[in-house]
Amino acid sequence: LAKTTQPISMDSYEGQEVNITCSHNNIATNDYITWYQQFPSQGPRFIIQGYKTKVTNEVASLFIPADRKSSTLSLPRVSLSDTAVYYCLVGDEGDSSYKLIFGSGTRLLVRP
Amino acid sequence: EPEVTQTPSHQVTQMGQEVILRCVPISNHLYFYWYRQILGQKVEFLVSFYNNEISEKSEIFDDQFSVERPDGSNFTLKIRSTKLEDSAMYFCASHGQGNEKLFFGSGTQLSVL
Repeated sequence: LAKTTQPISMDSYEGQEVNITCSHNNIATNDYITWYQQFPSQGPRFIIQGYKTKVTNEVASLFIPADRKSSTLSLPRVSLSDTAVYYCLVGDEGDSSYKLIFGSGTRLLVRP
Repeated sequence: EPEVTQTPSHQVTQMGQEVILRCVPISNHLYFYWYRQILGQKVEFLVSFYNNEISEKSEIFDDQFSVERPDGSNFTLKIRSTKLEDSAMYFCASHGQGNEKLFFGSGTQLSVL
C-alpha cells in the first residue's frame, strides 16, 4: 500500500480557502485517493474520492495531477466547524477487502 | 444518510476480562472492518471481514481478538483477555461493492482498568 505524507497541521481563518496537499509517490495503478475528516471522539467521515484530474462535490474539491503522485484537497470558504483532522488515504479494492491505512493526518485549525 | 451503529458508546472493564464490542453495519454492505484509535494517535487498521471470513488482519489483531458475524445484521469484535493497552476508541466500518466510501460508526470507547 502506498504511504502518504501530509502536513502535520495548518492554520486558517474563517472564509478562506484551504488547500491541503498529500504526497503519495508510490501510488499504484489501481489505487484511488480518498480524503476523510475526523472530529474529536468521532469516527472518520468520507469527504471526497478521486482517481485522476479533478473531482468536486458539495463540500470540497480534489485535484490530482497527471502523475498522481500527489493530491490536493481544497476546502472553499472554511468555517470554524471545519476544524478537524483531515486524512489522505490511498488504496484499492483487493479481492476481498479495501484496507485503508490512515497516516497521521493534517490538523486544521480555523480561527475566527 | 445510512449509518453504522455501534454499542455501547463507552465500555469500562477490568484487565483480564472479556469484552464484546457490537456493530450493526449498513444493511446492504458486504465488507466490514474494525479500526482502533488510541487517544491522541492515528486510526489503526485491525481487521477486515468479507464473505463470513477474515480477509486481512494487522499485527495488532493477535489471538486475543476475534470477529464474528453471528447473524445477518451484527458484526462483533471480541477481546478475550483485555490489557491496559487495549484502551482505545474502536471503530466499526463497512462498505458495499467497489471503491465505495467507507462508512464509520461513532465508535466505542473502551477503558481497561
